[in-house]
Amino acid sequence: SYVLTQPPSVSVAPGQTARITCGANNIGATSVHWYQQRPGQAPVLVVYADVDRPSGIPDRFSGSNSGNTATLTISRVEAGDEAAYYCQVWDSSIDTGFFGGGTQLTVL
Amino acid sequence: QVTLKESGPALLKPTQTLTLTCTFSGFSLSMSRMRVSWLRQPPGKALEWLARIDWDNDKFYNKSLRTRLTISKDTFRNQVFLTMTNMDPVDTGTYYCARTSGCGRDTCHFDSWGQGALVTVSS
Repeated sequence: SYVLTQPPSVSVAPGQTARITCGANNIGATSVHWYQQRPGQAPVLVVYADVDRPSGIPDRFSGSNSGNTATLTISRVEAGDEAAYYCQVWDSSIDTGFFGGGTQLTVL
Repeated sequence: QVTLKESGPALLKPTQTLTLTCTFSGFSLSMSRMRVSWLRQPPGKALEWLARIDWDNDKFYNKSLRTRLTISKDTFRNQVFLTMTNMDPVDTGTYYCARTSGCGRDTCHFDSWGQGALVTVSS
C-alpha cells in the first residue's frame, strides 16, 4: 500500500517554473501519473508513466521520478495552469490505485 | 474520440443502495486490454479509486470498500455499472468513471474521464 504525500499548495509567478512533489517510500520503483483538475471539472491526465505526455498536453508539463520523490514540473507557467494536481500510483501487488492528497497550484 | 458519462441518482438516504451507470463511446470492452474504473471525490477532498473491470470480466476493488461494492458491465451497450450498498453521508461526493490504461505494464492510469455525477447522501 502507498501513502503519497503532496504539499497542499504551491505558488508561482507567470512565466516561472512550478515543481510539485509526490513523496513515498521508494516511489522511484513504480510508475507515477499526474492529473490536473480545474475547479468544477473532471481530472485530466497530464503525465503518465513518470515522463510521458498524452497527446494534446503541452511540453511545458514534464515529470521525473527517483528515490522517494516524484516531481511534476510545469515550465513557463500560465494563468490557465492554476488548478489542483494529483499524483497517482498503482500497486500491482494488491491491484489497487492510490492518489496523493493533491496540490493547489496558484499563479500569482 | 473517447467519451464517458456517468448517470444515477443525485440524492440518496442513508442505508440506501447507490447504482451508477457509465455509458461510454470510442472504445469497446469487448477488445483486449480495455478496462474501466470507478473513482470518487468528496467535496474539497482528494480522489479515491473504487473499482475496476476488465475486458475479460476480471474485477478489482478498493479493499476498504470491498464488501459494499459491485462492478459489472454490459459489453453490448457500452456500459459499466457500480453499486454501493449501505450509503452514508460520508459517501457524499462526485463519482467518476474513467477508461483505465497501462495495466499490462503494472502501471494502471486513467486516461479519459467522465464529467462526474454528484451524489449526496442525506436524511
